[in-house]
Amino acid sequence: AQSVTQLDSQVPVFEEAPVELRCNYSSSVSVYLFWYVQYPNQGLQLLLKYLSGSTLVKGINGFEAEFNKSQTSFHLRKPSVHISDTAEYFCAVSEYGGAQKLVFGQGTRLTINP
Amino acid sequence: EAGVVQSPRYKIIEKKQPVAFWCNPISGHNTLYWYLQNLGQGPELLIRYENEEAVDDSQLPKDRFSAERLKGVDSTLKIQPAELGDSAVYLCASSPDQRGGDTQYFGPGTRLTVL
Repeated sequence: AQSVTQLDSQVPVFEEAPVELRCNYSSSVSVYLFWYVQYPNQGLQLLLKYLSGSTLVKGINGFEAEFNKSQTSFHLRKPSVHISDTAEYFCAVSEYGGAQKLVFGQGTRLTINP
Repeated sequence: EAGVVQSPRYKIIEKKQPVAFWCNPISGHNTLYWYLQNLGQGPELLIRYENEEAVDDSQLPKDRFSAERLKGVDSTLKIQPAELGDSAVYLCASSPDQRGGDTQYFGPGTRLTVL
């Protein structure tokens, strides 16, 4: 079974500052990794995913994430945030080669202050 | 391309009453998921369909929850009777297939309040 821990429940940053949202996972098998974003009163939208290959993954809206197998981490980063990035961010895993069963972390609320 | 459609968006009911949620997935998507999202938590899978077959319903509380996906397209999730602890957001998602790396596309959810 897999589990996901998002290390920060809330992250406040100022506009145009860099941000990192941390995600660690636990699994006895290889995994696929995902970051989803949820804007208020909306469903989840995929930001990026790691399936295989290069450990640095680029996604939409200027976000990127790096897969670190030795540290079982998949941290999300953006070099300069905007007010519109205010949302809830979820890290998720699914079993490599298995059926699409996502296990989500608890979420990190990113708040951008002007 | 239309996204995943869910209705209603909001529902308020008294405890012990029945309630149903409807989901229409993206056209051509064979796999459909129902998730429960409690306040301040990540979504948790309730049931996964491959076409009309429920292939994973291990997390569905079967004493009060039921789901169906007739003809392998849209789906209904029902709770009968509802309890106070069922207050949450119910999310529907779909994906082209059930391969592990497929992207899941989520609907806006139904926010249920049980009084």
